[in-house]
Amino acid sequence: DGGITQSPKYLFRKEGQNVTLSCEQNLNHDAMYWYRQDPGQGLRLIYYSQIVNDFQKGDIAEGYSVSREKKESFPLTVTSAQKNPTAFYLCASSMGRTGNEQFFGPGTRLTVL
Amino acid sequence: AQSVAQPEDQVNVAEGNPLTVKCTYSVSGNPYLFWYVQYPNRGLQFLLKYITGDNLVKGSYGFEAEFNKSQTSFHLKKPSALVSDSALYFCAVRADQTGANNLFFGTGTRLTVIP
Repeated sequence: DGGITQSPKYLFRKEGQNVTLSCEQNLNHDAMYWYRQDPGQGLRLIYYSQIVNDFQKGDIAEGYSVSREKKESFPLTVTSAQKNPTAFYLCASSMGRTGNEQFFGPGTRLTVL
Repeated sequence: AQSVAQPEDQVNVAEGNPLTVKCTYSVSGNPYLFWYVQYPNRGLQFLLKYITGDNLVKGSYGFEAEFNKSQTSFHLKKPSALVSDSALYFCAVRADQTGANNLFFGTGTRLTVIP
């Protein structure tokens, strides 16, 4: 069963704590992405990676960090520096660069208490 | 700069009637255009895309979209709406000149199909 998995589905965090969101894909895709979704704002790009051991900041990278040590995995860490982390986080992947659609995971809803 | 506008936050349509969800875009160069659908608390599902060729693109679940270069639009359409089509729809764009495959998303349109 191919696809993208994200875990956990729901995550609760206390203020001041770092938390890591998991994203795994078995589609053999080169590129992976992290988006944040807030009501009425659509999706905003946090980080993306086009190849293992390389990643770039998106539009709202402040307070987040990522790693890409394996092709299949692209974990996102939400640090205590992120001022408003409560949101729905979506991971995606795609083949190559030109015109290929992105495939999305089911998302993780992070709530800061 | 790349951007996408979905001018309607909410679209209501009666079951069986045709539906249209609007999207306009702005890019430098030729656009690659995409439509996605999102059901509550779920990820986005790919519906269709325009890369090149025929301006009318057919996709999943009976949806289609028409690329109009002069109006910079890519409206999503379906001839006969189903209640199960009720969801949040996103239009996305990237320019063919950019190196990465990053997409720019609109803010979404919530479609409600009334039985």
